[in-house]
Amino acid sequence: EIVMTQSPATLSVSPGERVTLSCRASLSISTNLAWYQQKSGQAPRLLIYGASTRATGVPVRFSGRGSGTDFTLTISSLQSEDFAVYYCQQYNGWPPQYTFGQGTKLEIK
Amino acid sequence: EMQLLESGGALVQPGGSLRLSCETSGFIFNNYAMSWVRQAPGLGLQWVSVISNTGNSKYYRDSVKGRFTISRDNSKNTVFLQMDSLRADDTAVYYCAKDHEAVAGTFLDSWGQGTLVTVSS
Repeated sequence: EIVMTQSPATLSVSPGERVTLSCRASLSISTNLAWYQQKSGQAPRLLIYGASTRATGVPVRFSGRGSGTDFTLTISSLQSEDFAVYYCQQYNGWPPQYTFGQGTKLEIK
Repeated sequence: EMQLLESGGALVQPGGSLRLSCETSGFIFNNYAMSWVRQAPGLGLQWVSVISNTGNSKYYRDSVKGRFTISRDNSKNTVFLQMDSLRADDTAVYYCAKDHEAVAGTFLDSWGQGTLVTVSS
């Protein structure tokens, strides 16, 4: 089973700052990685798939990079609406096992 | 606009059963696989099960195999999750989510708002 590890667990940042979140896979997953945003009390929302492709309607300040085992999600200039929990998810294995990371919480500094 | 609406969550005793439903609209339902993902209180996301667009392929996480059954009715644009032999650690908000492709094993591009299942005596 592929294990996804996100770091850090919590990140305290100020609006306007640039922030980078990390996600590491225990085995190579090529670029079969997605990022989701979950605001408090809401359902998750797809942000990035294929490690670097923004989903429809996602602002350009969100960008994803990586391949193999190491991935990052960068928010270039944090807006107030970006404070949320972010999850990565791999979709490389077979049979399907949609493995999520444990999440990174972005909180206001 | 894609919409997914879950229902069926409730308080149930350990060992009991529940059937969750997810009614969808705004996309061609029988073109896509559908998943269930759960989130225990205060914790992260945990995938539960997926069904292919035709319903011919179904997959489950190990902890629910033999207890949960996923199904779909393409004539009603609805996916179901039958949950039997429920345990306290099944307590969670259950989300219905649309897969990006017809076959299972991709990412989830649209989510419902979730339905709460509480297993407690």
